[in-house]
Amino acid sequence: GENVEQHPSTLSVQEGDSAVIKCTYSDSASNYFPWYKQELGKRPQLIIDIRSNVGEKKDQRIAVTLNKTAKHFSLHITETQPEDSAVYFCAVYSGAGSYQLTFGKGTKLSVIP
Amino acid sequence: DTAVSQTPKYLVTQMGNDKSIKCEQNLGHDTMYWYKQDSKKFLKIMFSYNNKELIINETVPNRFSPKSPDKAHLNLHINSLELGDSAVYFCASRDRGRGYTFGSGTRLTVV
Repeated sequence: GENVEQHPSTLSVQEGDSAVIKCTYSDSASNYFPWYKQELGKRPQLIIDIRSNVGEKKDQRIAVTLNKTAKHFSLHITETQPEDSAVYFCAVYSGAGSYQLTFGKGTKLSVIP
Repeated sequence: DTAVSQTPKYLVTQMGNDKSIKCEQNLGHDTMYWYKQDSKKFLKIMFSYNNKELIINETVPNRFSPKSPDKAHLNLHINSLELGDSAVYFCASRDRGRGYTFGSGTRLTVV
């Protein structure tokens, strides 16, 4: 089955700095890579996603990059703000025949004002 | 309108009791899931149903039994609750080829 590794497990940055979270996956057939943000006591919410035919996608201060050859993808948050503090999960969908997303173990991001 | 709704939001119960958590989605999605999130925040899949048919049944105790009366509902029944069952349980549904929409979660505390 799919194996997803996520690093780091915790990340502290100063407000205004950038944050980068990285994930690797094992199944080369994987074709969809979403990122979820989970604030304390809330549900995980989709913040950005990327498909395997795209190398980079941006949405305001967040971006995701995908390297299919190396089987890794990253979440980049620029100009971090205190409200970015949350747990972030990467996930991988392995495509045809797979009905589920496989999640990384999460990164707890703390933005220090 | 809430896309994926779970009830109850909080559930405190004694060991040995039987309890149910209900989930409904109004998104028209075909696939629904139950996930367990432990204290370390790891999201572990338990079950998945596609059009009322069970397609994923991970290694969970058989005290946990999902039921899907129709494709908009996926309920979770737990028998003989144990302390280790304490966690947050999330229901989710998925649009084909996209990510999940999660419910608001049910925090289960077994005392």
